[in-house]
Amino acid sequence: DAKTTQPTSMDCAEGRAANLPCNHSTISGNEYVYWYRQIHSQGPQYIIHGLKNNETNEMASLIITEDRKSSTLILPHATLRDTAVYYCIVIDTGTASKLTFGTGTRLQVTL
Amino acid sequence: GAVVSQHPSWVICKSGTSVKIECRSLDFQATTMFWYRQFPKQSLMLMATSNEGSKATYEQGVEKDKFLINHASLTLSTLTVTSAHPEDSSFYICSAIPGDGYTFGSGTRLTVV
Repeated sequence: DAKTTQPTSMDCAEGRAANLPCNHSTISGNEYVYWYRQIHSQGPQYIIHGLKNNETNEMASLIITEDRKSSTLILPHATLRDTAVYYCIVIDTGTASKLTFGTGTRLQVTL
Repeated sequence: GAVVSQHPSWVICKSGTSVKIECRSLDFQATTMFWYRQFPKQSLMLMATSNEGSKATYEQGVEKDKFLINHASLTLSTLTVTSAHPEDSSFYICSAIPGDGYTFGSGTRLTVV
């Protein structure tokens, strides 16, 4: 699976949009972009995924650049409960391949 | 959605004893499960890939005789930490692939005293 690069940490005020970037310049054509988050002392939680089109669900929006070399996860109205480590991972879902977690982005939502 | 149940959520054991952690896929069959370990303020590190009906595949540097993995059915994989020592204290997480993407268990906090 391709490697990803994310900022180590970000802050966001409660109620504001949190935009978390991810670079995946070596992504291949059959790899999806997945986002997970991990709240302290819990297992990673699925947020959203996409191949090349932008995606939106009840939790977040995912914007993928046209060349697919980067993406942005958007939490439209961050709350304190969104404080977590966010992981961007590229996955070839056609194979049961192992995931490699990077360091992720530690998002701190503040009052 | 698909659920992976992990048990226990936390365990404290004495040095030298063994601890078993269970990972169950509740509403799907999992021929492959993954075991991760996470130390404080670090990312998840893959330990091994568990394959139903066959031997697990261990990552480099992970002792297969210390971390025994059994995947005897399509819904259950177990990780046994044998002769645990304080340095084995960590957060252990399993995951499986229900279809589209990966689902993770809630993790097991192991403390060896």
